[in-house]
Amino acid sequence: DVKVTQSSRYLVKRTGEKVFLECVQDMDHENMFWYRQDPGLGLRLIYFSYDVKMKEKGDIPEGYSVSREKKERFSLILESASTNQTSMYLCASSFRDNLNYGYTFGSGTRLTVV
Amino acid sequence: GIQVEQSPPDLILQEGANSTLRCNFSDSVNNLQWFHQNPWGQLINLFYIPSGTKQNGRLSATTVATERYSLLYISSSQTTDSGVYFCAVDGDDYKLSFGAGTTVTVRA
Repeated sequence: DVKVTQSSRYLVKRTGEKVFLECVQDMDHENMFWYRQDPGLGLRLIYFSYDVKMKEKGDIPEGYSVSREKKERFSLILESASTNQTSMYLCASSFRDNLNYGYTFGSGTRLTVV
Repeated sequence: GIQVEQSPPDLILQEGANSTLRCNFSDSVNNLQWFHQNPWGQLINLFYIPSGTKQNGRLSATTVATERYSLLYISSSQTTDSGVYFCAVDGDDYKLSFGAGTTVTVRA
């Protein structure tokens, strides 16, 4: 069964801490994404990557950075966590061919910043 | 980016009822997908449907790209259909833009 695995299901961090959220996919997908989900707002794209060592800003990149050193791993970094970054974080990977477009999400990490 | 509006925001159904969820989008798209998020937070891809009609069991979807909307039909709803349904679209850049979702509650 193909998977996107996020390292933590729940995480509690203090304001000002540096936070790493890890995501690994086993499907050899080129594209990987980080979203945050907040009530009433749906999912908003933070960063995405089309290839190793490549990254692009999404709609809400402020306060975040990413790293993609290997194809299967995409890390989200909160440089200095703040309470307004308390949210559900979802990682996804995708492929596209002529017939289909596959998008697979991880189970999410619920981050609380206190 | 492309704006996505979903309606209704909330839907309460009795088991066995049928329903229609709507997704409107603001520009032409290369991709439109419907997702279901179960009560445990897992997002599952239901349909890839940039145009036309598809069916999968009790679920079906129709996208009318020229009029910029898509519909998701749930027939003979079951309690396991509860959760949040998201519509998501992208243009040329592979970045999905999500609507705010429709929260469906199916009561036994």
